[in-house]
Amino acid sequence: GNSVTQMEGPVTLSEEAFLTINCTYTATGYPSLFWYVQYPGEGLQLLLKATKADDKGSNKGFEATYRKETTSFHLEKGSVQVSDSAVYFCALSDRGGATNKLIFGTGTLLAVQP
Amino acid sequence: EAQVTQNPRYLITVTGKKLTVTCSQNMNHEYMSWYRQDPGLGLRQIYYSMNVEVTDKGDVPEGYKVSRKEKRNFPLILESPSPNQTSLYFCASRSRTAQYGYTFGSGTRLTVV
Repeated sequence: GNSVTQMEGPVTLSEEAFLTINCTYTATGYPSLFWYVQYPGEGLQLLLKATKADDKGSNKGFEATYRKETTSFHLEKGSVQVSDSAVYFCALSDRGGATNKLIFGTGTLLAVQP
Repeated sequence: EAQVTQNPRYLITVTGKKLTVTCSQNMNHEYMSWYRQDPGLGLRQIYYSMNVEVTDKGDVPEGYKVSRKEKRNFPLILESPSPNQTSLYFCASRSRTAQYGYTFGSGTRLTVV
């Protein structure tokens, strides 16, 4: 079945460091891919998305490229800030699926230190 | 403001005492879902609804019920809660035509003792 695997955390970085959070997926067909962010005590917010191969999603300095050949959707940011500290979830949605659900990775906690 | 509203935010209850977590969205979305979030497991879908009076099981439906009598509301019912249902619950909705992911509520932290 469809699944998402993302790197385990926590990831601890200093402010202005480069961030990569790895995400790979297994899916039939052509899923849409997402990164969601969960700040402490809050719900999930859509950070960025990509709906087809080679699409690049971007938002708030974060980027991720839909790589069908490597089934990956790694999240990157060139210079993290303390305010980026949160849990990041990679997810896929099977656009043709009857269950209409998002399949999530286990989440990666990012802690950015001043 | 477009949003998904869940209530309550926090709930502590005892085993076996029926409870309902409410969810309401003001975006006229067709699709609504309930997820639970547990450490090391990410989010897992409990139930989903594709429109009024159309609901179906997700990956972990045991011990839960839902109903969709109105388009805006999608309550989650625990008829006889047990400690293994202690979790963080999220309601989410999206438009039928949107492939851009769900809008999530702020979550309900449930503790069953």
